[in-house]
Amino acid sequence: GAVVSQHPSRVICKSGTSVKIECRSLDFQATTMFWYRQFPKQSLMLMATSNEGSKATYEQGVEKDKFLINHASLTLSTLTVTSAHPEDSSFYICSAQRTGFTDTQYFGPGTRLTVL
Amino acid sequence: GDSVTQMEGPVTLSEEAFLTINCTYTATGYPSLFWYVQYPGEGLQLLLKATKADDKGSNKGFEATYRKETTSFHLEKGSVQVSDSAVYFCALLEAAGNKLTFGGGTRVLVKP
Repeated sequence: GAVVSQHPSRVICKSGTSVKIECRSLDFQATTMFWYRQFPKQSLMLMATSNEGSKATYEQGVEKDKFLINHASLTLSTLTVTSAHPEDSSFYICSAQRTGFTDTQYFGPGTRLTVL
Repeated sequence: GDSVTQMEGPVTLSEEAFLTINCTYTATGYPSLFWYVQYPGEGLQLLLKATKADDKGSNKGFEATYRKETTSFHLEKGSVQVSDSAVYFCALLEAAGNKLTFGGGTRVLVKP
């Protein structure tokens, strides 16, 4: 149990376009999901905390108008990178907390975004 | 704020060697501690965790003990395999919240 999926696994887009990444908890409900960004050979940086039915909480330095997060159901959160630029190229990873259990996050496999 | 420091890699070992990855933390209160593993091109998988002092987490031959007196959570495995080649992340979960703080990651390469 506790499987988290992400779609797509890889995406290549042109500069100026928007890209949507989905994060789904497949076999549990997740009131809270998290979005991370990982640069090559570096650790994970928390971008935002996504709570079902409410606005996401963004970490300092993360542009909320550029990285739109929607958590419309207990099993789905989406991250939309708007007007993407090459510097947005990165590995984006989501995680989910099982509702009622705050001590463990389950991670998705990640999405590799390349902006040309 | 909370922080996690782990030894820099890469760590290169031969198969069946003993592995230790050091991890120390700074936190207020009593956090929970985790080790995650990331295989090439994949997301993170929870390897083991400990939620209070002196707890030992274990999984797949890996062990780590929550040492409050030394604020450490070192990862050990007695005999590594080639399939253990990955990046290992130490992390803490703040006691009063739900945010994970990660260490910088340690790349481990096990050669046959």
